[in-house]
Amino acid sequence: AQSVTQLDSHVSVSEGTPVLLRCNYSSSYSPSLFWYVQHPNKGLQLLLKYTSAATLVKGINGFEAEFKKSETSFHLTKPSAHMSDAAEYFCVVRPMFSGGYNKLIFGAGTRLAVHP
Amino acid sequence: GAVVSQHPSRVICKSGTSVKIECRSLDFQATTMFWYRQFPKQSLMLMATSNEGSKATYEQGVEKDKFLINHASLTLSTLTVTSAHPEDSSFYICSAPGSGGTYNEQFFGPGTRLTVL
Repeated sequence: AQSVTQLDSHVSVSEGTPVLLRCNYSSSYSPSLFWYVQHPNKGLQLLLKYTSAATLVKGINGFEAEFKKSETSFHLTKPSAHMSDAAEYFCVVRPMFSGGYNKLIFGAGTRLAVHP
Repeated sequence: GAVVSQHPSRVICKSGTSVKIECRSLDFQATTMFWYRQFPKQSLMLMATSNEGSKATYEQGVEKDKFLINHASLTLSTLTVTSAHPEDSSFYICSAPGSGGTYNEQFFGPGTRLTVL
């Protein structure tokens, strides 16, 4: 069975400090992995995606994530947090099997708070 | 990037009434759309896959007679919550997969917050 676990429900950082949002996945096949961000009352926006190419993926707004198969992890990082980064972040896995190609499995989400 | 809209953004209704939520792909066509439900402080759960020109595919545990889905055109899918009850109160989000260079990406609507009194 495919699943994704976000290890922290809340993360709080100071502006200008690094951000680390942790995600572990479980998949019998090589999955595609995504990070989405959800600002209040707005739709989900794709930050970055891993689709079996380079294991270090760079996304928008300075975010990046590294796919580590040995650790089944896909942690999201950013060197320096901005106030505008405060939002809910979802780690998402898309199982790679026929019939479910477009189905997404969401993690529980991590709420990032950024303090001045 | 591709844009998906939802209408209404917020709806309050009485118990026992039906509510229709629209999901539109504004600048691309979508033969498939997805409907999710998100309870407060929880993640998104896939409810069903909406297929243009055929019946929707529902996830296990989702009542197809309660959550009616109609994919009327290549740019419109509707979700009707029939005989709504307070436990149906939730945030409903739709998405549509991209095509061409964005086929690996799904585009999400802004969501519809349903409150059933």
